[in-house]
Amino acid sequence: KAGVTQTPRYLIKTRGQQVTLSCSPISGHRSVSWYQQTPGQGLQFLFEYFSETQRNKGNFPGRFSGRQFSNSRSEMNVSTLELGDSALYLCASSLTGNLGQPQHFGDGTRLSIL
Amino acid sequence: GQQLNQSPQSMFIQEGEDVSMNCTSSSIFNTWLWYKQEPGEGPVLLIALYKAGELTSNGRLTAQFGITRKDSFLNISASIPSDVGIYFCAGQNKRGNNDMRFGAGTRLTVKP
Repeated sequence: KAGVTQTPRYLIKTRGQQVTLSCSPISGHRSVSWYQQTPGQGLQFLFEYFSETQRNKGNFPGRFSGRQFSNSRSEMNVSTLELGDSALYLCASSLTGNLGQPQHFGDGTRLSIL
Repeated sequence: GQQLNQSPQSMFIQEGEDVSMNCTSSSIFNTWLWYKQEPGEGPVLLIALYKAGELTSNGRLTAQFGITRKDSFLNISASIPSDVGIYFCAGQNKRGNNDMRFGAGTRLTVKP
C-alpha cells in the first residue's frame, strides 16, 4: 500500500517568492493535515483538510494557505516567503481525522529560503 | 495551546541497554501516539494509545497511556544501533480535530 507522497522533496526559493507543495494521501484517507518542522519550534500544526474543506487551522499567518481536491490530494501554498519559512513541511493523512485514527506522515518537503 | 513536555531531550546509550522516555502535559489528552523520525524522513508511527491505563507493545517497544490522561511513556528494551533517531510523543484531545500536539523529541544515540 503506497504511503503518503509529498512533492517536491527539496525546494530552494528566495524571499518574496511564493511556493506550492503537494501531498497525496494514503489511498482511502480523506483527512490531510500539514505541519511545519523546524529545529527551534519542533512540529507545529498548520491546518487540516477534510472533504475539500479546511476543518482546523493552527496559528500561522494568512500567507500560509491550502486546499484539497476531490481525490483528497492536497496542496499547501506559502506566499511572500520569508527567511523564517525555511523548514521541513510534513503532510499527514488519516481516514477521517477522528480520534482513534492515527496520522501517517510523508517524508516531507524541505524548503530553503535564500 | 497545550504543551507537551518530553524528556529527556537526548540519550546516549550502549547497545543492549533499555531506554525510557516520557511525555507530560498540563491538559488531558484522549489519544497518545509515539513516532520515530530518522534523518531525511517523516515521522513513522510506532504505537498508538487510546485508553487511560492502556499498555501496548510493538516488538521491543512498550508504551503506556497514563491514568491521569496527562502523561505517557515509551520504553525500548535491548536497544540496537538501528533504534537511533528522534522519538516524538503526540497527543490528540478532540473528536474530529486533527490538531495533534507534539513533544520536542528525544534524540537517541546507540553506541555499538
